[in-house]
Amino acid sequence: GAGVSQSPSNKVTEKGKDVELRCDPISGHTALYWYRQSLGQGLEFLIYFQGNSAPDKSGLPSDRFSAERTGGSVSTLTIQRTQQEDSAVYLCASSLEGDGTDTQYFGPGTRLTVL
Amino acid sequence: GQQVMQIPQYQHVQEGEDFTTYCNSSTTLSNIQWYKQRPGGHPVFLIQLVKSGEVKKQKRLTFQFGEAKKNSSLHITATQTTDVGTYFCAGRGSNYKLTFGKGTLLTVNP
Repeated sequence: GAGVSQSPSNKVTEKGKDVELRCDPISGHTALYWYRQSLGQGLEFLIYFQGNSAPDKSGLPSDRFSAERTGGSVSTLTIQRTQQEDSAVYLCASSLEGDGTDTQYFGPGTRLTVL
Repeated sequence: GQQVMQIPQYQHVQEGEDFTTYCNSSTTLSNIQWYKQRPGGHPVFLIQLVKSGEVKKQKRLTFQFGEAKKNSSLHITATQTTDVGTYFCAGRGSNYKLTFGKGTLLTVNP
């Protein structure tokens, strides 16, 4: 595709349920990033993939959060036993090399609401 | 860890006035990027600065990178309603990771 896509665009769930968020990066981009943006806040880094491996998971807020990437392409972010404070927009970005100088291209985000 | 502070948090201007947002890092940066996020949209890359003291212009937007590579600014001349949005700086240290500032929300009164 032409850009980064994410699904679903909106997700409403009940507290305690698990959710899966999907990111399709730009074809050929080796680096993939997940961020979280709460209302009126900046972007909080969650995790970074280079290929299928995640050299930096330092931003994951708790062990309820996990992410994987398969085939060097699609990534899923899973939140188990969701809490109300997990409500936010989850943004995915990809870049060509992830070498420190390239541009990150963001997807439209998934807006997660935990009731 | 690396921290990037951005001020002001909000700025409201009359159309035609100038606007500036400032970004300061706790550590020396290898490069800094600027992004714009329109209301309801996602961040879109504007520019990257790499060299000490670098100045780049995009039409009415002027971007500067400080001599010490710890601060940066974005200046918009004669704002228009299309400039509305949140402007983020994102600094990169010695590795791949971008640390984003909290952004400056610009609103423009026509």
